[in-house]
Amino acid sequence: DGGITQSPKYLFRKEGQNVTLSCEQNLNHDAMYWYRQDPGQGLRLIYYSQIVNDFQKGDIAEGYSVSREKKESFPLTVTSAQKNPTAFYLCASSERSETQYFGPGTRLLVL
Amino acid sequence: AQSVSQHNHHVILSEAASLELGCNYSYGGTVNLFWYVQYPGQHLQLLLKYFSGDPLVKGIKGFEAEFIKSKFSFNLRKPSVQWSDTAEYFCAVGGNQGGKLIFGQGTELSVKP
Repeated sequence: DGGITQSPKYLFRKEGQNVTLSCEQNLNHDAMYWYRQDPGQGLRLIYYSQIVNDFQKGDIAEGYSVSREKKESFPLTVTSAQKNPTAFYLCASSERSETQYFGPGTRLLVL
Repeated sequence: AQSVSQHNHHVILSEAASLELGCNYSYGGTVNLFWYVQYPGQHLQLLLKYFSGDPLVKGIKGFEAEFIKSKFSFNLRKPSVQWSDTAEYFCAVGGNQGGKLIFGQGTELSVKP
């Protein structure tokens, strides 16, 4: 069953804590993306990776970090430097510049 | 600056009404255009896309969109909406930046039975 999985579905962060969101795909796509979705603002690109061991900042990368050690995995860390982390986080993948396919998302809440 | 603008934040229709959601973009170079839909509690999924060729593209569930280059628009249409079309709709543009997409703010569609 091909697709993109994200975990956990809900995540709670305490003040000063770093948290990591998981994204895995078995579509054999080269490119992977992380977006943040806030009400009324659409999706904004945080980071993207077009190939293993390489990634670029998107429009709102401050306070976030990523790694791309394996083709199928692209974890996102929300660091304590991100002052407004409450949002819905979406991971996507694509075959280079083709259509992006999205995972089910992780909702991050701050305690 | 590259951007996508969706004209309506929230649209409310009765079943069987016709739908048109506006999308305008500002983007240099070749454009690929997309409409995605997010049904309540479900993940974002592709409704339709335009890369080249016939500017009138048809998607799933009876949706279609028309690319008008001179107007920088890619409006989404459906002749007769159903209650099950209640969802949030996102227009997106990409093309010459290595797969990056720019999304509009989204339009929430509520269809009354």
